[in-house]
Amino acid sequence: QKEVEQDPGPLSVPEGAIVSLNCTYSNSAFQYFMWYRQYSRKGPELLMYTYSSGNKEDGRFTAQVDKSSKYISLFIRDSQPSDSATYLCAMSGGGATNKLIFGTGTLLAVQP
Amino acid sequence: SAVISQKPSRDICQRGTSLTIQCQVDSQVTMMFWYRQQPGQSLTLIATANQGSEATYESGFVIDKFPISRPNLTFSTLTVSNMSPEDSSIYLCSVETGTGTPQHFGDGTRLSIL
Repeated sequence: QKEVEQDPGPLSVPEGAIVSLNCTYSNSAFQYFMWYRQYSRKGPELLMYTYSSGNKEDGRFTAQVDKSSKYISLFIRDSQPSDSATYLCAMSGGGATNKLIFGTGTLLAVQP
Repeated sequence: SAVISQKPSRDICQRGTSLTIQCQVDSQVTMMFWYRQQPGQSLTLIATANQGSEATYESGFVIDKFPISRPNLTFSTLTVSNMSPEDSSIYLCSVETGTGTPQHFGDGTRLSIL
C-alpha cells in the first residue's frame, strides 16, 4: 500500500462547478499537508499549506485536513478554465529533513 | 517566494552518457532537494543537497548514479550518470527558504534517453 493515495482522474467539470480533490494517507506521523498545482511543462506551484487538522481558506480554494480519518481535501469554488491542471497532494512529518511524500496527482479539466 | 532556475529545461541524450542539471536560486535557502517525476508516478525524492557536505540519499538512489554538489546556499547540481532509457524522466529541484516553511519547486528538466 502506498503511503499516500490520490485518485488520478481525469476529472472533467463545467466552468463554475465546485471541485473536490482528495487524498488518503497511512502514516499517522504526517503533520504538514500541502496542495500543489502543476501546469503542463511547469514545476509544481504551492497552493495551500496547512499544519495538523482543520480548514484553511484562500480565495476560491479551501484545504481541509482530518487527521483522525487520515484524509485531506482541496475544494475549488467557481472553477475556471485556468484551473485546468494536475493537482498534487503532499505531506511530511516535519523535522530536520522535511521529506515530502506526494500523491500521484489528479488531472483536472474545467470546460468553458 | 524564491525564484528557482533550472538548466537545461530539456535534453535528449545518448545512453551511456552523463548530464549535469543546475539549480540556481535568487536568494540564500536553508535546504535544497532533488526529485524525480516519472510518467504516471508520484514525485520521488532522490536526495537532500547539503551545503558543504555530502548529499543525503533516499533508499534506491546512490551517489555513483546521481552525484550531487552544493557549493553554496544558492546553487546545486545533480548529475545523472551512465544514462539508460529508464532514466528518462523529469528532474526537479526544490528549496526551503527557512525551517518549517514549505518547499518551492523549479520548472524541472525534461530528460529523454535514446
